[in-house]
Amino acid sequence: AQTVTQSQPEMSVQEAETVTLSCTYDTSESDYYLFWYKQPPSRQMILVIRQEAYKQQNATENRFSVNFQKAAKSFSLKISDSQLGDAAMYFCASNTGNQFYFGTGTSLTVIP
Amino acid sequence: DAMVIQNPRYQVTQFGKPVTLSCSQTLNHNVMYWYQQKSSQAPKLLFHYYDKDFNNEADTPDNFQSRRPNTSFCFLDIRSPGLGDAAMYLCATSRAIADTQYFGPGTRLTVL
Repeated sequence: AQTVTQSQPEMSVQEAETVTLSCTYDTSESDYYLFWYKQPPSRQMILVIRQEAYKQQNATENRFSVNFQKAAKSFSLKISDSQLGDAAMYFCASNTGNQFYFGTGTSLTVIP
Repeated sequence: DAMVIQNPRYQVTQFGKPVTLSCSQTLNHNVMYWYQQKSSQAPKLLFHYYDKDFNNEADTPDNFQSRRPNTSFCFLDIRSPGLGDAAMYLCATSRAIADTQYFGPGTRLTVL
């Protein structure tokens, strides 16, 4: 079975600062995909960033980047230059084809 | 804009009264998913369709059924809703199984 663990239920960051959200996963598959999704309050879930497990290079999308440590099964999200609009619930997720798992989420507060 | 649409956004039903939730997509994606998300919890996959192939999660209660009459539409039927079925129901689509999922805004179900 595959599990996804987010050990930080809540995080806060000062506007313009950097924050890192943690995620670990457990899988026996060799081929899989990892995602970070953002769910703002009362708004729909959207993709933040995606990482293919076979790629060694960490994915980057503007202010968002990941630190993918395959051996450690770790997939953390770094948000640089945090903005008020980054406040949301962030879910880490894994996908091995027919199995999809979400972590329990990290609620991020951005302090003006 | 291409999107995932869910109707209704809010649904109130009575204990034991069948209810149907609707999802449509203009993305022409092959895969459609239904998730149940309870307050402050991770989305839990109920089932998904790859084209017409239906894939039920092992722990999805028999009370939940789904139909996909064509590529664009997918329905979630709850045959006899219980109080524990009150939740946000999320529909998502993806081009392929391991691809990025695009989520609808969700339908919040209340069971009286």
